[in-house]
Amino acid sequence: GAVVSQHPSWVICKSGTSVKIECRSLDFQATTMFWYRQFPKQSLMLMATSNEGSKATYEQGVEKDKFLINHASLTLSTLTVTSAHPEDSSFYICSARDIQIYGYTFGSGTRLTVV
Amino acid sequence: AQSVTQLGSHVSVSEGALVLLRCNYSSSVPPYLFWYVQYPNQGLQLLLKYTSAATLVKGINGFEAEFKKSETSFHLTKPSAHMSDAAEYFCAVSDQGYSSASKIIFGSGTRLSIRP
Repeated sequence: GAVVSQHPSWVICKSGTSVKIECRSLDFQATTMFWYRQFPKQSLMLMATSNEGSKATYEQGVEKDKFLINHASLTLSTLTVTSAHPEDSSFYICSARDIQIYGYTFGSGTRLTVV
Repeated sequence: AQSVTQLGSHVSVSEGALVLLRCNYSSSVPPYLFWYVQYPNQGLQLLLKYTSAATLVKGINGFEAEFKKSETSFHLTKPSAHMSDAAEYFCAVSDQGYSSASKIIFGSGTRLSIRP
């Protein structure tokens, strides 16, 4: 079945540094990928939708200059948290849409801790 | 706009008992509906999905859900709970489009606990 690989699974960084998270669709082409943020014991909040070869569409309230999204190929999307601060600490999950089966496959998530 | 409402943030059942997790949706177009399960510090795993075919959908691990348009519901059930079913469950809705604007929206989640 469809598999989405997300790396790293966890990362600790110092305040003020940038962190890049990768999301790859391993066995299908994903023209659209999604990035979510999840706080403890809460639901997934959609941050942005990225389409291959075009600029990402950000949800209201999400700072596009802070959360840089690149979707340069049909199998790879990246989320870069720039100048990270402790309040950016969260669980980030990516998802890729497979139009062949109309499904959304999720990565395993990245636990970001900013100290 | 589309949305889903999950009734009950926490459900606790005894092992072997019926599991019922409630989900109601709102959609201006015929929806696609999903149930996902999440274990701690992990991503989401698809349990089942409704894509306008059969209204009773069977998924993995013995779960099933029934799409009821008249009630705008898509409740998740399992006849007999196992300890391994303890997890967070999310109901989600998407439109049927393939456009760049199409996306999946999640409910607030229901934590399922299983009592021995």
